[in-house]
This record gives sequence, structure tokens and C-alpha cells, in this order.
Amino acid sequence: QKEVEQDPGPLSVPEGAIVSLNCTYSNSAFQYFMWYRQYSRKGPELLMYTYSSGNKEDGRFTAQVDKSSKYISLFIRDSQPSDSATYLCAMSPYNQGGKLIFGQGTELSVKP
Amino acid sequence: NAGVTQTPKFQVLKTGQSMTLQCAQDMNHEYMSWYRQDPGMGLRLIHYSVGAGITDQGEVPNGYNVSRSTTEDFPLRLLSAAPSQTSVYFCASSYSSGGETQYFGPGTRLLVL
Repeated sequence: QKEVEQDPGPLSVPEGAIVSLNCTYSNSAFQYFMWYRQYSRKGPELLMYTYSSGNKEDGRFTAQVDKSSKYISLFIRDSQPSDSATYLCAMSPYNQGGKLIFGQGTELSVKP
Repeated sequence: NAGVTQTPKFQVLKTGQSMTLQCAQDMNHEYMSWYRQDPGMGLRLIHYSVGAGITDQGEVPNGYNVSRSTTEDFPLRLLSAAPSQTSVYFCASSYSSGGETQYFGPGTRLLVL
């Protein structure tokens, strides 16, 4: 079983919809939780990160971490066609810089 | 700042050939990593470094070597290429010990025939 599981989709939604992306994990040592966005044939770019549990909001994006359930989420409000990309969750234990474990990625398509 | 740069962008190798994928960053980041990305697999860590002269293995290190003689450069060497190493390779760097601020390069597409 992989340490980090993510539904690969693909996920297709109409413009303006609320999108929910999720990952589960098994390693209780994970302390940092990241969401990356990757456009086709490009490198991943960091969207948001959260340390330990809680919520974090940045514009239309909200990241949630529930360590008791080993479950993280990314919500996208008022989704736009420009949000169409693959979204990857990633995690790392404390003080192991550079050693990220990624989910499989979810392919999102937002239709105008 | 150029950020994280990778060369070449695309390479075709024959089985058994060797090559080096180059990675450089100009942000003075301590932490650097190499990942490979295969369809349906996300990114998997090959090797990483926490500073010049210090490297360690990730999830899938077999068939790859790394060294880090300077802060800026972190080359990945394929000793004897195999078709299973056909993939997209990403280099990343970070200034934080939690890895929560990793910046990725544009990737190198490798095809091994």
C-alpha cells in the first residue's frame, strides 16, 4: 500500500463549481502537507502548504488537514478554466527537507 | 533569478548507455532533490541532498547516482540506461528543512530504447 493515496480522477466540473480534492495517508510522522498544481508538460508549482493540522486559505483555495483521520483536502471555489491541471498532494516528516512523498495526482478539467 | 534549471529538455538513449542529467539552482537553497514521474504514479523520490557533500537515497534509487560538490549543482547520473528508466525527471530545491517550499525545474523527458 502506498503511503499517500489520491484519487487520480479525471474530474470534470462546470465553471464556477466548488472542487474538492482529497488525499489519505498512512504515515503518522508526516508534519508538512503541500498541494502542487501541474500544467501539462510543465513542472509542479507549489499552491499551498500547511504545517500540522488546521485550515489555510489563499484566495479561492482552502487547504485542510485532519491528522486524526490522516486526511487532507484542497477546495477550489468559483473554479475557472485556467484551474484545469493535475493537482498533486505531497507530504514530509519534520526536518527532512527535500524528502517529499507524493500522491498520484488528480486531473481536473473545468469546462466553460 | 533563473530558479531551477534542467538540461537537456529531452533525450533519447539506447539501452546500456550512460548519461548525466544536469540540475542547477541560483537561490542558494540547501536542499535539492530528484524525482521521476510516470503515468499514474505521481512523483517518486530518487535521491536528495541536504547540503553540499551530503546525499541520501529516496524511494527508487537503483540505477541512479548523485553527488553534490557545490550548493548550486546536483547532477543525476544514469550508469547503464534501461527501458524502465523512460520517464520525466524533475529536479527541485528548497530552503526549508520541512521541504514545504520546494521549487521544481521544468523537467527532462528521457526515452530509453
